[in-house]
Amino acid sequence: AQSVTQLDSQVPVFEEAPVELRCNYSSSVSVYLFWYVQYPNQGLQLLLKYLSGSTLVKGINGFEAEFNKSQTSFHLRKPSVHISDTAEYFCAVSDPPETGANNLFFGTGTRLTVIP
Amino acid sequence: KAGVTQTPRYLIKTRGQQVTLSCSPISGHRSVSWYQQTPGQGLQFLFEYFSETQRNKGNFPGRFSGRQFSNSRSEMNVSTLELGDSALYLCASTPLGGSSYEQYFGPGTRLTVT
Repeated sequence: AQSVTQLDSQVPVFEEAPVELRCNYSSSVSVYLFWYVQYPNQGLQLLLKYLSGSTLVKGINGFEAEFNKSQTSFHLRKPSVHISDTAEYFCAVSDPPETGANNLFFGTGTRLTVIP
Repeated sequence: KAGVTQTPRYLIKTRGQQVTLSCSPISGHRSVSWYQQTPGQGLQFLFEYFSETQRNKGNFPGRFSGRQFSNSRSEMNVSTLELGDSALYLCASTPLGGSSYEQYFGPGTRLTVT
């Protein structure tokens, strides 16, 4: 079974500083990895995804993540955060489509707070 | 193209009652998945419907059920509500032929059980 661990429940960071949100996954098979963002009173929005190929994935809003198979990690990074990046961030994993499954397994989330 | 819509957005129910939540997927999307989000358990997969059939199911009791109509709209039902069912219920739709990475989420229905 798939599982995801987000190591930090809360991350405060000053505006224009870099940030890294950590995510580790557990799986015995190849997986797809994702980062979603949730703004207050809204649903989830896909930031980026890793399916295959290059281990450095670029997403929307200046975010990027690096897939590290040996460390089973998929950490999210942004070189300079803005106030508008304040939100909850979720790492998720899924089985590849050939398994027939279409469900996501989410981490518990990391609340990013950008301080002016 | 309109996004995923969920109704109602907020709901207050009493223990023991039952509730029905509705989800309208993006036009052309055939798969609808439901998730429960709580502060303690995070986001958990409930079930997925495709072409009016339940295709996948998470680890929830039988009090949680769902269905999908021929126009791909989906409903989920929770019977005999418990306080622990208070949560944000999110629905996501997937385009025809899409896999999980193409899930588009609605704003959710916040259910409060008193």
